[in-house]
Amino acid sequence: NAGVTQTPKFRILKIGQSMTLQCAQDMNHNYMYWYRQDPGMGLKLIYYSVGAGITDKGEVPNGYNVSRSTTEDFPLRLELAAPSQTSVYFCASSYTHNSDTQYFGPGTRLTVL
Amino acid sequence: GIQVEQSPPDLILQEGANSTLRCNFSDSVNNLQWFHQNPWGQLINLFYIPSGTKQNGRLSATTVATERYSLLYISSSQTTDSGVYFCAVPTTDSWGKLQFGAGTQVVVTP
Repeated sequence: NAGVTQTPKFRILKIGQSMTLQCAQDMNHNYMYWYRQDPGMGLKLIYYSVGAGITDKGEVPNGYNVSRSTTEDFPLRLELAAPSQTSVYFCASSYTHNSDTQYFGPGTRLTVL
Repeated sequence: GIQVEQSPPDLILQEGANSTLRCNFSDSVNNLQWFHQNPWGQLINLFYIPSGTKQNGRLSATTVATERYSLLYISSSQTTDSGVYFCAVPTTDSWGKLQFGAGTQVVVTP
């Protein structure tokens, strides 16, 4: 198993540009999550999904959108990038909720200039 | 929402030393996870430990759920133990969302 994979690893955007961060898992996990980590801070939840076709907002959803058309993929869309979205983005997945380990991808380092 | 506090915020160790990291949480939880973020940014799950004690090599963790804290022990520290250690607990509204602490930055010097 590849586990949780994320692309790209690094990206620089100009203010106002848009992009999609890709996340995929091959563990047949139902639950998937997007977090952001600002320098020197813990992780904050952006969006999550409990299965294909079902998504919901986390703690910091503004400026982002998600979709979950398949169990494997959970892309995160940034519209109109702003400097405040400079961060490291982590995707995670788990088979169930509350009683299961979350597995994290390697992260995407995004800089908005 | 649930609050997660970690201490100390920073820790400098000489190689071979032992240390204890603490995680306090403000509400009852049914699971707790410890993660290590290495200097390259990769998050590695160390323990899933809702209660009791677990050991994995030189690392062990204990969670006392009734008193709302967990401890992570690093014994005979090595330079590869450097990084940030996070604890995380589920948010009170379920669905597996995790609330992370701010982390403990550990530097192990040769």
